[in-house]
Amino acid sequence: DSGVTQTPKHLITATGQRVTLRCSPRSGDLSVYWYQQSLDQGLQFLIQYYNGEERAKGNILERFSAQQFPDLHSELNLSSLELGDSALYFCASSVGGSGRTNTQYFGPGTRLTVL
Amino acid sequence: GQQVMQIPQYQHVQEGEDFTTYCNSSTTLSNIQWYKQRPGGHPVFLIQLVKSGEVKKQKRLTFQFGEAKKNSSLHITATQTTDVGTYFCAANTGGFKTIFGAGTRLFVKA
Repeated sequence: DSGVTQTPKHLITATGQRVTLRCSPRSGDLSVYWYQQSLDQGLQFLIQYYNGEERAKGNILERFSAQQFPDLHSELNLSSLELGDSALYFCASSVGGSGRTNTQYFGPGTRLTVL
Repeated sequence: GQQVMQIPQYQHVQEGEDFTTYCNSSTTLSNIQWYKQRPGGHPVFLIQLVKSGEVKKQKRLTFQFGEAKKNSSLHITATQTTDVGTYFCAANTGGFKTIFGAGTRLFVKA
């Protein structure tokens, strides 16, 4: 158990819909990261927040948005869903946000299926 | 921009054989991390390398950081079926962005 929690574990929805994925970081961690992993693929970095502020952005679609709240939990919002958005979405957290303090601890993931 | 190449993409070995995965960066790194993802699981942190030429060992796993801090390797001696999974390197240049390699998927045949 990494200490990072993600809800829900599974999500099945239809094309065109909007969903919200939730992540609670490990106690004391200030950074939260979001990744997308399609079947048997690598980790696609989406976005990183540090203490409530966006710090780094990857290949995140305009239909996707995220935020980190004052209590440090984070939400990833996916809208106008397409079949290709079906994937595992991982959240990770780290103590710091850069350099040697960014060892990441991953949550169990949310499996999103878009029908 | 910064790129991280990880090879090979896949590796099939017989149990007891050795395995190595390599990670190469186009730029000098501040540190590099290695993660393992078991099938159906989430990535788990293995180790972080910081110093030029650093070598660290964890039982049968040996991690190396190149002298120029642009490449790294993970070597597993005498693989076991429990080593099955995907091994990712994650490179950082000191800023906020960490770049994950594409991963090497290891298959071990008993």
